[in-house]
Amino acid sequence: DAGITQSPRHKVTETGTPVTLRCHQTENHRYMYWYRQDPGHGLRLIHYSYGVKDTDKGEVSDGYSVSRSKTEDFLLTLESATSSQTSVYFCAISENRYEQYFGPGTRLTVT
Amino acid sequence: DAKTTQPPSMDCAEGRAANLPCNHSTISGNEYVYWYRQIHSQGPQYIIHGLKNNETNEMASLIITEDRKSSTLILPHATLRDTAVYYCIVRVATGGWGSSNTGKLIFGQGTTLQVKP
Repeated sequence: DAGITQSPRHKVTETGTPVTLRCHQTENHRYMYWYRQDPGHGLRLIHYSYGVKDTDKGEVSDGYSVSRSKTEDFLLTLESATSSQTSVYFCAISENRYEQYFGPGTRLTVT
Repeated sequence: DAKTTQPPSMDCAEGRAANLPCNHSTISGNEYVYWYRQIHSQGPQYIIHGLKNNETNEMASLIITEDRKSSTLILPHATLRDTAVYYCIVRVATGGWGSSNTGKLIFGQGTTLQVKP
């Protein structure tokens, strides 16, 4: 399996608080992605990165920001969490843009 | 990216071949067919991809029709651990190295495969 970890794996937070999720890879892959998965919607892309400090928005980026200061880490920040951001968040990495390898996911609950 | 159509669910007997169909009638000439699966509560897992030729790896075979309007993922000897949601995805993989076009995956609803003993 690709060396990709996510932290935390589970988090419960209150509405209005900031939250940062971390994706860490040991594969030195260039591309990194954040998805969210919700019942009835499948996986949806939030943000992605095509290099250090190079990021772009996905289809559901409102309320989220990302940063990538080094190859191995891609951070997803919810500046002010809302209940609609309760979801399972998956990070993925890719070297050649053909195959993406996913992390184990982070289950976030916003109360 | 082309839209795909998959049956919502399928059953397969353990040890038998599982054949999962996917229709992608609007596929363009430069679009690839990808298959991923997601076992309950885990992250999606890449299985295989192809452009126009049939492909085989240690996990599965991918059969693409000559007109490329449909494809079939074959798990030759399904086991209980193959029970999962299988996603057929069609997308372009273009852009030079460093391009911001990362070929983003768009997941549909997929096919839930239930392998039964």
